[in-house]
Amino acid sequence: AQSVTQLDSQVPVFEEAPVELRCNYSSSVSVYLFWYVQYPNQGLQLLLKYLSGSTLVKGINGFEAEFNKSQTSFHLRKPSVHISDTAEYFCAVSHSGYSTLTFGKGTMLLVSP
Amino acid sequence: EPEVTQTPSHQVTQMGQEVILRCVPISNHLYFYWYRQILGQKVEFLVSFYNNEISEKSEIFDDQFSVERPDGSNFTLKIRSTKLEDSAMYFCASSDLFAGTGDEQYFGPGTRLTVT
Repeated sequence: AQSVTQLDSQVPVFEEAPVELRCNYSSSVSVYLFWYVQYPNQGLQLLLKYLSGSTLVKGINGFEAEFNKSQTSFHLRKPSVHISDTAEYFCAVSHSGYSTLTFGKGTMLLVSP
Repeated sequence: EPEVTQTPSHQVTQMGQEVILRCVPISNHLYFYWYRQILGQKVEFLVSFYNNEISEKSEIFDDQFSVERPDGSNFTLKIRSTKLEDSAMYFCASSDLFAGTGDEQYFGPGTRLTVT
């Protein structure tokens, strides 16, 4: 069975500061990893995904994530955040042959001036 | 850019009533999904649907739930007799390829279901 842990329910940060949102997963098989963002009153939007290959994945809006197999982590980073990055961020995993996405509980990123 | 739409945005119903949540997936997508998120909890998979049949479902998706693609554009989730614990945000998603290939799922904005 797969599971996803997002260690922080809320991350407050000042504008233009760097941020890291943590995600750890557990799975007995190879996984695909995703980060989704949810802005207020909107659906989940894909930020980036890791399928295979380079462990550093770049996504939209200046976000990137690094897959670390030994630590079973897929942390999301941005070097300089904007007010508009305030949203809820979800880490998710799926694996070959199954249609389910397993989500973490989400991390609320709060960017203040 | 094509998007998944869901109606209504908010549905209030009394316990024991039937509700139908509607979704219009992206037009050329072949795989459809329902997820739900109870307030303060994780987004949970309910069911996936392909070629007019359920391809996978979770233990949450019991006999009270059903899905249907009544025409070429809509995808619906029916809850036959709602319970208080069905109160949640319900997300519809669609994808072009089977999610097991790592293909992205595109999500709608959700329907907030409140059962009183």
